[in-house]
Amino acid sequence: QKEVEQDPGPLSVPEGAIVSLNCTYSNSAFQYFMWYRQYSRKGPELLMYTYSSGNKEDGRFTAQVDKSSKYISLFIRDSQPSDSATYLCAMKAGTASKLTFGTGTRLQVTL
Amino acid sequence: NAGVTQTPKFQVLKTGQSMTLQCAQDMNHEYMSWYRQDPGMGLRLIHYSVGAGITDQGEVPNGYNVSRSTTEDFPLRLLSAAPSQTSVYFCASSYSAPGRADIAKNIQYFGAGTRLSVL
Repeated sequence: QKEVEQDPGPLSVPEGAIVSLNCTYSNSAFQYFMWYRQYSRKGPELLMYTYSSGNKEDGRFTAQVDKSSKYISLFIRDSQPSDSATYLCAMKAGTASKLTFGTGTRLQVTL
Repeated sequence: NAGVTQTPKFQVLKTGQSMTLQCAQDMNHEYMSWYRQDPGMGLRLIHYSVGAGITDQGEVPNGYNVSRSTTEDFPLRLLSAAPSQTSVYFCASSYSAPGRADIAKNIQYFGAGTRLSVL
């Protein structure tokens, strides 16, 4: 079993929809949680990060962490075609120098 | 700012050939790492370095060597390329050293990648 599980998609939604992207994990030592966005043929870029449990909002994006369920989510409101990309979750334990990534979910926002 | 620069962008090798993928960062980051990205496998850590002169193995180190003689550069060497090493390779860097609690120091910045095909 992988430490981090993420549905690969693809997920296709119409413009303006609310998108929910999710990851589950098994390592209870993970404390830092990140979401990266990767456009086709580009490197991943950090979208949001959170520490421990709770919510964090940044514009149309909300990251949510539920450590009791070992479940993290990224919500995108009013989705735009420019949001079409692969979204990777990543996490790390407090003293670790290494990130553990999910496999990524490919999102397509259609007009 | 250049950030993390990877060269070359594309490379085709024959089985058994050797080559070095270059990675340079201009952000004075302590931590640098190499990943490979394959369909359905996500990003897998090959090697990483927490500072000049210090390197360590990641999840999939076999067939790859690294060195870190300067803070800025972290080259990845393929000694004898194999078709299984066909992949997209990403270099990343961050401020973080082990034990840092400040999450901002742990944020990794990625290069644009090197697409490698081994025939």
